[in-house]
Amino acid sequence: IAGITQAPTSQILAAGRRMTLRCTQDMRHNAMYWYRQDLGLGLRLIHYSNTAGTTGKGEVPDGYSVSRANTDDFPLTLASAVPSQTSVYFCASSGGRSGTDTQYFGPGTRLTVL
Amino acid sequence: GQNIDQPTEMTATEGAIVQINCTYQTSGFNGLFWYQQHAGEAPTFLSYNVLDGLEEKGRFSSFLSRSKGYSYLLLKELQMKDSASYLCAALDSNYQLIWGAGTKLIIKP
Repeated sequence: IAGITQAPTSQILAAGRRMTLRCTQDMRHNAMYWYRQDLGLGLRLIHYSNTAGTTGKGEVPDGYSVSRANTDDFPLTLASAVPSQTSVYFCASSGGRSGTDTQYFGPGTRLTVL
Repeated sequence: GQNIDQPTEMTATEGAIVQINCTYQTSGFNGLFWYQQHAGEAPTFLSYNVLDGLEEKGRFSSFLSRSKGYSYLLLKELQMKDSASYLCAALDSNYQLIWGAGTKLIIKP
């Protein structure tokens, strides 16, 4: 593994189903982030974690949950998917806790909720 | 509220120079990032400015004016591979990135 990986690459999901998007980084970065990107809108922060064991809510957290059991992994769970959660999801990480460090992005997961 | 404004789309000619502007309004300010994003790919880091002035990095330069809430990305000697979206993002007082919607740059031969 080099950098950040995300799985799956893409997924079509029925509304109401539960889904977990996986994110793993091997850079030993403290901070990790989940964004969604929709056409015509900027990246919007869903949840973040400044260090293992802590998480925080971003701009659009409703309908999503995260956990940070260790440094490397930061899964995002949709408890009961809805069509408005159709989007491209990017995981990112950065070395520092202050936020001034550069964020490095995973390749993204394209999710379609029908 | 917090807001980032940048043009939706720009067109330029191969070999030319293009300037992509970004204005920001944030609660507090801890720096300005530019990222490049090719279609279907992840954003990749281009530059970070926290002090006023111009930062040059090869064919790309980034400028910041904190008093005006303004930044620009300057791309010189444009190449076809520079066709991409360019994302401006400001770091607010909580050290969270506020992202613009991106500027799609189209390079014509």
